[in-house]
Amino acid sequence: GAGVSQSPSNKVTEKGKDVELRCDPISGHTALYWYRQSLGQGLEFLIYFQGNSAPDKSGLPSDRFSAERTGGSVSTLTIQRTQQEDSAVYLCASSSGGGGRQPQHFGDGTRLSIL
Amino acid sequence: AQSVTQLDSQVPVFEEAPVELRCNYSSSVSVYLFWYVQYPNQGLQLLLKYLSGSTLVKGINGFEAEFNKSQTSFHLRKPSVHISDTAEYFCAVTPLTGGGNKLTFGTGTQLKVEL
Repeated sequence: GAGVSQSPSNKVTEKGKDVELRCDPISGHTALYWYRQSLGQGLEFLIYFQGNSAPDKSGLPSDRFSAERTGGSVSTLTIQRTQQEDSAVYLCASSSGGGGRQPQHFGDGTRLSIL
Repeated sequence: AQSVTQLDSQVPVFEEAPVELRCNYSSSVSVYLFWYVQYPNQGLQLLLKYLSGSTLVKGINGFEAEFNKSQTSFHLRKPSVHISDTAEYFCAVTPLTGGGNKLTFGTGTQLKVEL
């Protein structure tokens, strides 16, 4: 079956622009996660959705970052007024339910480069 | 809060030799443990997980790991590596309860298999 799909795979934009990153989870997966992977910080948790609600937003680094999920499916991560330190690979994962027992399945990520 | 330490940033090994990638964790609560592999320009793929029961867990591609609660370790092993095992390996934990299901990752170990 289809895995987690992320788009675009690569995004280059100028400092100060807004960007939207999209994640299509595995069908039927109720939990969705965003992580950021960068050279300096490794893999960092950003936000977790259960259905359309986000019970844990603790990893969002600033108020320039926001995310939403609609229909219990697609999620969009938005970064406003991008800065060079936002350059990273943004990974989305989904799992079949709440609780840590369910393994998270990852997409291939969006590589974001801020010029 | 949880933390994960992967002391070896790089591990070179010859093909058909055994390998061990080390992982230690710190947590005030019980955790589930995972190993993920990341090939270049791809997302993370689950290798294996420890949830409960037998402390020796077997995963895909001939990998296995042993959970040692007293040493808070979860080392990954393979008795004979192949060129195709060259990749980055991440150890991760999530608490059984109360952690919001987010994964806390180590900094990764780059396994380089040489002929």
